[in-house]
Amino acid sequence: AQTVTQSQPEMSVQEAETVTLSCTYDTSENNYYLFWYKQPPSRQMILVIRQEAYKQQNATENRFSVNFQKAAKSFSLKISDSQLGDTAMYFCALTHGANSKLTFGKGITLSVRP
Amino acid sequence: GAGVSQSPSNKVTEKGKDVELRCDPISGHTALYWYRQRLGQGLEFLIYFQGNSAPDKSGLPSDRFSAERTGESVSTLTIQRTQQEDSAVYLCASSRPAGGEQFFGPGTRLTVL
Repeated sequence: AQTVTQSQPEMSVQEAETVTLSCTYDTSENNYYLFWYKQPPSRQMILVIRQEAYKQQNATENRFSVNFQKAAKSFSLKISDSQLGDTAMYFCALTHGANSKLTFGKGITLSVRP
Repeated sequence: GAGVSQSPSNKVTEKGKDVELRCDPISGHTALYWYRQRLGQGLEFLIYFQGNSAPDKSGLPSDRFSAERTGESVSTLTIQRTQQEDSAVYLCASSRPAGGEQFFGPGTRLTVL
């Protein structure tokens, strides 16, 4: 069985500052993918960033980057230069290989203050 | 549009009634997933279709839940004899044959009174 844990229920950050969202996971598989999804009040799940477990280099997408620590089974998301539009729920998720179900954490509510 | 679509957007029903939720995946996506999201919670996997293979039904919470998909097209999720605990947002996602990224629809919010 695989599990994803997000222990922080909510966080707040000042606009233009940097914030890090934590995620830990557990799996017995060697081949897996990790994701961060954003869910604004509109309910639409939007992929923020993905990381293949076999890649040592941390993924980066513009202002979003991850700190992937495979041995520690940790996968945190760093948002730089936070913007008001980043206000949303953020979910960490895990899947094994292609076309396999996603296992989600409980999510964290991020509020960006003006 | 080219995204995943779901209908209806919202559904209010009475306890004991049956409901049917619909998902239209992105064209060419052979994999289709249904998830349930209870208020303030993460998504729970329900069922997964991959082409013509037998679906993975391991996430369905009870035999009141069922889903169908014909080929690589539309899928319907049916909940029979709805209960109040079925109230949630039901999200559908699809993915390319060889891709890990799942693209989500806007969801159907189901309220059982």
